[in-house]
Amino acid sequence: NAGVTQTPKFRVLKTGQSMTLLCAQDMNHEYMYWYRQDPGMGLRLIHYSVGEGTTAKGEVPDGYNVSRLKKQNFLLGLESAAPSQTSVYFCASGTGDSNQPQHFGDGTRLSIL
Amino acid sequence: GQNIDQPTEMTATEGAIVQINCTYQTSGFNGLFWYQQHAGEAPTFLSYNVLDGLEEKGRFSSFLSRSKGYSYLLLKELQMKDSASYLCAVSSSGGSYIPTFGRGTSLIVHP
Repeated sequence: NAGVTQTPKFRVLKTGQSMTLLCAQDMNHEYMYWYRQDPGMGLRLIHYSVGEGTTAKGEVPDGYNVSRLKKQNFLLGLESAAPSQTSVYFCASGTGDSNQPQHFGDGTRLSIL
Repeated sequence: GQNIDQPTEMTATEGAIVQINCTYQTSGFNGLFWYQQHAGEAPTFLSYNVLDGLEEKGRFSSFLSRSKGYSYLLLKELQMKDSASYLCAVSSSGGSYIPTFGRGTSLIVHP
């Protein structure tokens, strides 16, 4: 029972490089989310999706792009990585019902040098 | 917008009781979640409150007062494994279900 799976788990990039983080869920959830977590800052929403083919900006969207071509996948892209994007990235999924919790992946630890 | 406040860090002794508070300001309150997050791991769901009162789940209980914009998580019979961050998240009505997280409270349980 996989739940929410994030790949890769760790990555080191140089400033200016690009990469894509992949999130996959097997719970048939409509909603998917990307967060970043920095020390003392809690979870901050980057982008989210309320269904296949939809995306929307969260609290800190600058420097990131997302795509939801398939219901089970939500991709987060960094076009030109910056040191300020060094963080732990969490993907989550949910039903969209207000009384149902989010389910989180194990996170991707990303360092930008 | 939403404003959610939690203490940054708390310490407690094994076997004791600890209360972690969360205060919030939001328009159209639609529920409050508590999550537990161990270091280096994903957040996991603990509890959900939408009505005033106390919800008990074993050693963990969560309380909500909507009129005061206040919730707390009560942990009884503390164990070393309870050392973790505890995240409060508030959901507001109107539009998509997008909860907002507080900055989390780091709980350290010592022998």
